[in-house]
Amino acid sequence: QKEVEQDPGPLSVPEGAIVSLNCTYSNSAFQYFMWYRQYSRKGPELLMYTYSSGNKEDGRFTAQVDKSSKYISLFIRDSQPSDSATYLCAMNSNSGYALNFGKGTSLLVTP
Amino acid sequence: GAVVSQHPSRVICKSGTSVKIECRSLDFQATTMFWYRQFPKQSLMLMATSNEGSKATYEQGVEKDKFLINHASLTLSTLTVTSAHPEDSSFYICSASDGQGTYGYTFGSGTRLTVV
Repeated sequence: QKEVEQDPGPLSVPEGAIVSLNCTYSNSAFQYFMWYRQYSRKGPELLMYTYSSGNKEDGRFTAQVDKSSKYISLFIRDSQPSDSATYLCAMNSNSGYALNFGKGTSLLVTP
Repeated sequence: GAVVSQHPSRVICKSGTSVKIECRSLDFQATTMFWYRQFPKQSLMLMATSNEGSKATYEQGVEKDKFLINHASLTLSTLTVTSAHPEDSSFYICSASDGQGTYGYTFGSGTRLTVV
């Protein structure tokens, strides 16, 4: 079993929809959680960075961490075609350690 | 915000030659840099972790003599693919951390290596 599980999709939604992306993990020591967006043939771009449990909001993006359930989510409101990309969750137990990545979820927002 | 510059973005080389990829942190000191390889429609595969002034730590299955990593300063790390072969063709990405968790982990824009 991989330490981080993420449904690869693809996920297709109409423009304006609310998108919910999720990851589960098995290592209870993880406490730093990140969401990245990656466009084709580009490096991942950090979207959200949270420490421990709770919610964090930035514009149209909201990240949620539930450590008791070992479950993290990223919500995208008012989705746009430009949001079409692969979304990767990543996490680790120490800020100096390498990240553990999910496989990434491919999102397509249709006009 | 934190910026990591990676060059070149794309390189084509002949089989048997070596290729160097540079990764620079532009506005913070990267105490730790990570090198990843990514195959099409796959997630990132960690190749090695390097701390400034120390030898890199390679993941299992990654040949340290083939993928030479140098992290001589707090702003620069290099990956050299030696005696490249077509199977080394891939997307290589670096990531940098200041070790404090200040900026999360910032990634470079990636290098598309094609060995012909």
